[in-house]
Amino acid sequence: QKEVEQNSGPLSVPEGAIASLNCTYSDRGSQSFFWYRQYSGKSPELIMSIYSNGDKEDGRFTAQLNKASQYVSLLIRDSQPSDSATYLCAASYGGSQGNLIFGKGTKLSVKP
Amino acid sequence: EPEVTQTPSHQVTQMGQEVILRCVPISNHLYFYWYRQILGQKVEFLVSFYNNEISEKSEIFDDQFSVERPDGSNFTLKIRSTKLEDSAMYFCASSPNPGEPNEKLFFGSGTQLSVL
Repeated sequence: QKEVEQNSGPLSVPEGAIASLNCTYSDRGSQSFFWYRQYSGKSPELIMSIYSNGDKEDGRFTAQLNKASQYVSLLIRDSQPSDSATYLCAASYGGSQGNLIFGKGTKLSVKP
Repeated sequence: EPEVTQTPSHQVTQMGQEVILRCVPISNHLYFYWYRQILGQKVEFLVSFYNNEISEKSEIFDDQFSVERPDGSNFTLKIRSTKLEDSAMYFCASSPNPGEPNEKLFFGSGTQLSVL
């Protein structure tokens, strides 16, 4: 059974702080990993994708991948109240990068 | 920015009825997907569709489900005989070519299906 596990939170950080979100995945065959943001009642919105071990930075966001540990993380620097949402970790499987297994998500709350 | 559109935004149906959820993927995209999210639960993969056929499906996608691309623009999900546990938000998604690195999956805004 392929699984992606996340701490459901809620994770509460003050405005301007670094938020650290983590996930683990079970399928060593997964090649691509994604972080989505989902506001309540809305569709997932892609924030970051990562395919290789190491760090990938995009603005205030840094994704980290460690395939040996089957671990993916997302750091959000200078957190803003508008970052308050549920963050979904996803791993691809099968022949298509669009076939994704999602974690249940970590709810992030950024306090002004 | 181009977007995936889904209709209706809300659908209420009686148990045992058939429903069709409709999606218009982004026009130059080649791969189409349906996902669902039961309230408070994970987003779950249902099916992927490419070149007018199903390329992969999950265990959830049983004989009660079917997908179709009836013309050059629409992509539909049919649930033949709805059950209470089919109540969920259904997301359509499309991608130009997910085999390429950095290709993005575009999600529609979803159809909330309520089975009574």
